[in-house]
Amino acid sequence: EDQVTQSPEALRLQEGESSSLNCSYTVSGLRGLFWYRQDPGKGPEFLFTLYSAGEEKEKERLKATLTKKESFLHITAPKPEDSATYLCAVQAWSSGGSNYKLTFGKGTLLTVNP
Amino acid sequence: GAGVSQSPSNKVTEKGKDVELRCDPISGHTALYWYRQSLGQGLEFLIYFQGNSAPDKSGLPSDRFSAERTGGSVSTLTIQRTQQEDSAVYLCASGGAFQETQYFGPGTRLLVL
Repeated sequence: EDQVTQSPEALRLQEGESSSLNCSYTVSGLRGLFWYRQDPGKGPEFLFTLYSAGEEKEKERLKATLTKKESFLHITAPKPEDSATYLCAVQAWSSGGSNYKLTFGKGTLLTVNP
Repeated sequence: GAGVSQSPSNKVTEKGKDVELRCDPISGHTALYWYRQSLGQGLEFLIYFQGNSAPDKSGLPSDRFSAERTGGSVSTLTIQRTQQEDSAVYLCASGGAFQETQYFGPGTRLLVL
């Protein structure tokens, strides 16, 4: 069974204090790893897709990296508007053709104080 | 362009009543997904539609849950005889034909009293 574990559950940073969020996964064959941002009362907003170990993607202050066992979301010089819950999800190759299901972690609640 | 829309945004119902939740996917997206997000839990897959193919209902938690998609576009998730444990945020997502990135709507917050 596919599993995704995110750590820490909550992270509090001062504005400008860089840090990383972790997503550890267990999957039979990784089709893709997805990062989403979710603000309170809203649906998840797509950030990145990573497909293979060694791949990196960047967007503004965010950079996502991928290894064979985990992904990191690095936040450089965060601002208060980066405060949100960050969700990690995996999509696995399936012999039955059900390659579309996303298995989500429980998320990391990031708070950035001014 | 317009994103995924869901209605209602909030729904309060009494235990035992039936509820219908609606999802309008992004125009042109052939794949449509329903997920459930319970307090303190991760998103849980419920059902998947792709074009005119038979849906994958493997994530539905009980036979009280059903969903349909009319004309390959709008989808309705129906919960019959609601229970308090059905209280959650129900999220709809849509995507392209190759099952890649899923784009989520704002969700329907369901509270069963």
